Amino acid sequence: EIVLTQSPGTLSLSPGERATLSCRASQSVSSSYLAWYQQKPGQAPRLLIFGASSRATGIPDRFSGSGSGTDFTLTISRLEPEDFAVYYCQQYGSSPTWTFGQGTKVEIK
Amino acid sequence: EVQLVQSGAEVKKPGESLKISCKGSGYSFTSYWIGWVRQMPGKGLEWMGIIYPGDSDTRYSPSFQGQVTISADKSISTAYLQWSSLKASDTAMYYCARGRSFDIWGQGTMVTVSS
Repeated sequence: EIVLTQSPGTLSLSPGERATLSCRASQSVSSSYLAWYQQKPGQAPRLLIFGASSRATGIPDRFSGSGSGTDFTLTISRLEPEDFAVYYCQQYGSSPTWTFGQGTKVEIK
Repeated sequence: EVQLVQSGAEVKKPGESLKISCKGSGYSFTSYWIGWVRQMPGKGLEWMGIIYPGDSDTRYSPSFQGQVTISADKSISTAYLQWSSLKASDTAMYYCARGRSFDIWGQGTMVTVSS
């Protein structure tokens, strides 16, 4: 089973700053089947990025994903107040199990 | 509108059985995987398992294999997650979601297991 390790655990930033979140896999993620989700308190998660770098429908272009193999990054170019949340990566290329990372909390500094 | 609607919150005692549901609408239910995700209070997301309603191909996380059963009834576009004997540690929010990368999520079903 592929293990995903996200870093940092918490990121303290101000609105307008750039956020860089990391997701490292214990083995190569096939075909870049890597997704990123945002979750706010009391809400279901929302898909942001799939295929490592493709934005989901309706996701603003300040969100971007990159990477391949075992190292992936989610970048938020300029933090808006509504972007403070928890972010999870997920791999869905290695059957039979498709795992989540433990999450990175982006909090207001 | 594409959506997944989950059944309501449940309060159960240890040892009881439970089946929660997730009904899809607005798309071809048999053409997309449906997955289940656990979120324990204050914790992260855990991938439990997934089913392809078109042929009932089902896969489980090793952590949940044998602990839960995932099924689907394509005639009513509904997927299910069930337990035969609940434990207090099953207390959590359970989400269903569509696809391999989960593009549509249900609203969640809160399951509370307490004596």
